Amino acid sequence: GQQVMQIPQYQHVQEGEDFTTYCNSSTTLSNIQWYKQRPGGHPVFLIQLVKSGEVKKQKRLTFQFGEAKKNSSLHITATQTTDVGTYFCAPDTGTASKLTFGTGTRLQVTL
Amino acid sequence: DTEVTQTPKHLVMGMTNKKSLKCEQHMGHRAMYWYKQKAKKPPELMFVYSYEKLSINESVPSRFSPECPNSSLLNLHLHALQPEDSALYLCASSHGGGRGETQYFGPGTRLLVL
Repeated sequence: GQQVMQIPQYQHVQEGEDFTTYCNSSTTLSNIQWYKQRPGGHPVFLIQLVKSGEVKKQKRLTFQFGEAKKNSSLHITATQTTDVGTYFCAPDTGTASKLTFGTGTRLQVTL
Repeated sequence: DTEVTQTPKHLVMGMTNKKSLKCEQHMGHRAMYWYKQKAKKPPELMFVYSYEKLSINESVPSRFSPECPNSSLLNLHLHALQPEDSALYLCASSHGGGRGETQYFGPGTRLLVL
């Protein structure tokens, strides 16, 4: 099956520092979604990327889809404590309805 | 209304008990999902209902039995569970179950099997 690894597994930053998580697939993806799960919470949709090389921004968050559509990244500029949580990529598996989550990157932000 | 609700929030059950988890959405979505999530792991898909028909069963043991009474409701019936089934059970919904659809998750039910 499709292997979707995210790195790093965990990152601890001080507030104001930048953060990046990478999602790597062994196969070419048609599209990819990103979700955030706060501690004790549930996954919440952030964005979907579809086109090769696509870049989308949401305030301090920048999402990229690789040119070969095998990887994606999420970059947070100047982290805040509200960014704490686990970020999951979720590539399209090629099967209708089926969303497979990446391994996730847990972000901890301290003052 | 973009909310998916789940009840109960927490559930403790013995291995001989029978219980049910409930999920409801009023977004007019026609696809609903059950996921299982263990601590510090990603959600794992269990079942998908599309237009009230079971479309995906990810080889889930028969002690988990899903039911979709109508397009707004999704149940998960539990019977003779094992301690390793303790996890967060998440319900989600999406527009129609097509590829690449955004999924909206409920808050989950935290299940402890003793």
